[in-house]
Amino acid sequence: GEDVEQSLFLSVREGDSSVINCTYTDSSSTYLYWYKQEPGAGLQLLTYIFSNMDMKQDQRLTVLLNKKDKHLSLRIADTQTGDSAIYFCAEKHGGYQKVTFGIGTKLQVIP
Amino acid sequence: GAGVSQSPSNKVTEKGKDVELRCDPISGHTALYWYRQSLGQGLEFLIYFQGNSAPDKSGLPSDRFSAERTGGSVSTLTIQRTQQEDSAVYLCASSLGLVTPSYEQYFGPGTRLTVT
Repeated sequence: GEDVEQSLFLSVREGDSSVINCTYTDSSSTYLYWYKQEPGAGLQLLTYIFSNMDMKQDQRLTVLLNKKDKHLSLRIADTQTGDSAIYFCAEKHGGYQKVTFGIGTKLQVIP
Repeated sequence: GAGVSQSPSNKVTEKGKDVELRCDPISGHTALYWYRQSLGQGLEFLIYFQGNSAPDKSGLPSDRFSAERTGGSVSTLTIQRTQQEDSAVYLCASSLGLVTPSYEQYFGPGTRLTVT
């Protein structure tokens, strides 16, 4: 079955870059997502990438996909305290509606 | 406009009681999803609706869990004879249609269920 794994915690200093990593097992994943969950709030879609892409950049966010290794990463440039949140990696197989989420990585930004 | 709302925000119930959790999706969103977020776990898919029908109920953990959606809008998730392992945050999401990147899922704030 599908499985998505990510580390639980990451701490960075304000202004540094953050890199959050994720691995997944479903080789037929079509879409891969990064969601952000701030305290007391629902999940918010940050960005997504199609499985036929290697990289996607959106302002301070860069998503890298290594399909061979089934590895996805999210880089946040110039990390700010407002970026402190839990970041979820998720994948979806094109033929199904189910989205499989990872456990979430808690990003702590130290001022 | 209004986002996805869920009620109650917190629910404490005794083991063995039934509970109903409510989700109000964004107006016009035809797809609705329920997830469970347990402590230390990722989001667990429970069920999704396209309109009023639920093509995929495979994620429901047991037959104590059921969900319905009426009028293509509000959905209720019912848990019968609650157990302590049902304690979790139950999240609802809606989208304009079936999930594709252009049909982003919008999540509600969740209902925190505690079974004592």
